[in-house]
Amino acid sequence: GAGVSQSPSNKVTEKGKDVELRCDPISGHTALYWYRQSLGQGLEFLIYFQGNSAPDKSGLPSDRFSAERTGGSVSTLTIQRTQQEDSAVYLCASIPGGLGTGELFFGEGSRLTVL
Amino acid sequence: AQSVTQLGSHVSVSEGALVLLRCNYSSSVPPYLFWYVQYPNQGLQLLLKYTTGATLVKGINGFEAEFKKSETSFHLTKPSAHMSDAAEYFCAVSGGSGNTGKLIFGQGTTLQVKP
Repeated sequence: GAGVSQSPSNKVTEKGKDVELRCDPISGHTALYWYRQSLGQGLEFLIYFQGNSAPDKSGLPSDRFSAERTGGSVSTLTIQRTQQEDSAVYLCASIPGGLGTGELFFGEGSRLTVL
Repeated sequence: AQSVTQLGSHVSVSEGALVLLRCNYSSSVPPYLFWYVQYPNQGLQLLLKYTTGATLVKGINGFEAEFKKSETSFHLTKPSAHMSDAAEYFCAVSGGSGNTGKLIFGQGTTLQVKP
């Protein structure tokens, strides 16, 4: 596609359930990033992929959070046993291969609400 | 390590007035600096960026920012606000050349434009 695509755009779940959020980056972009945007918290970095590897997962808030990337393309962020504090907008971004000028191309996000 | 501080979570200006959004950064390496804008219910869009060279950078929609190393600042300005500028603005820093492309964001500043 022309841009970064994320699904679902909105997800409402009950506390304790698992959720999966999907990111389809711009074709050919080898680097992929997940961020979390919470009210009053700005954007928090979660994890970075280069190809299928995640050299930096320092922002994952707990072991309930995990992410994978397959085929150097689509990535899935999984949150297990969701808690109310997980409610946020989860943003995905990608950049072309190489270490360029750092401009990230963002998707529109997946809004997660945990009841 | 890098960090970003945006002074003022909310800024309100009248239409036609000067817009000034403040950003200070901390970086142990020569930084790359960015301003992103997020319109309601949309993803983040790059406004402008500083990598190297000229310290005054111009972006889209009449915005500009000046990199001041001595003040570790990268404030965003626009001479005359328009109603359509109402949005949330994020300042971000990365580790410059050779970095992973990961951006560290500030908390964001919501710009309100009054008629």
